Amino acid sequence: TQLLEQSPQFLSIQEGENLTVYCNSSSVFSSLQWYRQEPGEGPVLLVTVVTGGEVKKLKRLTFQFGDARKDSSLHITAAQPGDTGLYLCAGPNTGNQFYFGTGTSLTVIP
Amino acid sequence: EPEVTQTPSHQVTQMGQEVILRCVPISNHLYFYWYRQILGQKVEFLVSFYNNEISEKSEIFDDQFSVERPDGSNFTLKIRSTKLEDSAMYFCASSDLRSTDTQYFGPGTRLTVL
Repeated sequence: TQLLEQSPQFLSIQEGENLTVYCNSSSVFSSLQWYRQEPGEGPVLLVTVVTGGEVKKLKRLTFQFGDARKDSSLHITAAQPGDTGLYLCAGPNTGNQFYFGTGTSLTVIP
Repeated sequence: EPEVTQTPSHQVTQMGQEVILRCVPISNHLYFYWYRQILGQKVEFLVSFYNNEISEKSEIFDDQFSVERPDGSNFTLKIRSTKLEDSAMYFCASSDLRSTDTQYFGPGTRLTVL
């Protein structure tokens, strides 16, 4: 089983602050995906990172894939209350079976 | 923007009953998946389906579960004899042939087994 551990598990910050959440594994992944999930809804895809060392930006969100393709980070600049949600990383095994991380629950306080 | 849809949004059933959860994947996608999420826990892979057959399944996907693509648009998950521990959110996802790493999820069906 390829485990994806996310940290921190919970994060509560003030509006305007920056934050980073981490997704780590002892296994190599061909790609990693980041999703955001609202309560009672399905995960919504934010980004897919494929190449070791790759950096992708989505407005105030910056995603990085580790050089060894075992870890990834999500950095949010100037967090807004609308960023509140559960952030999940996920990655495929050698087939199409996706492993999801443990999740980081982010609360941005106005 | 195309999206995955699921029905019903909430299903309540008695233990031992059969349930069928329905999904309409994105129309040009060829890979389909089911996941479940027990309240407060991780999203867990159940099964992937391609070319009218199961391509992978997890240990959770035992003989009580089955999947079917009964027509050109629907993808279903059947649980033959529900147990209390089957209570969870069930998510359908789909991906296209060129990018199976990128899976798009539906809004989920909340299954409650009493």
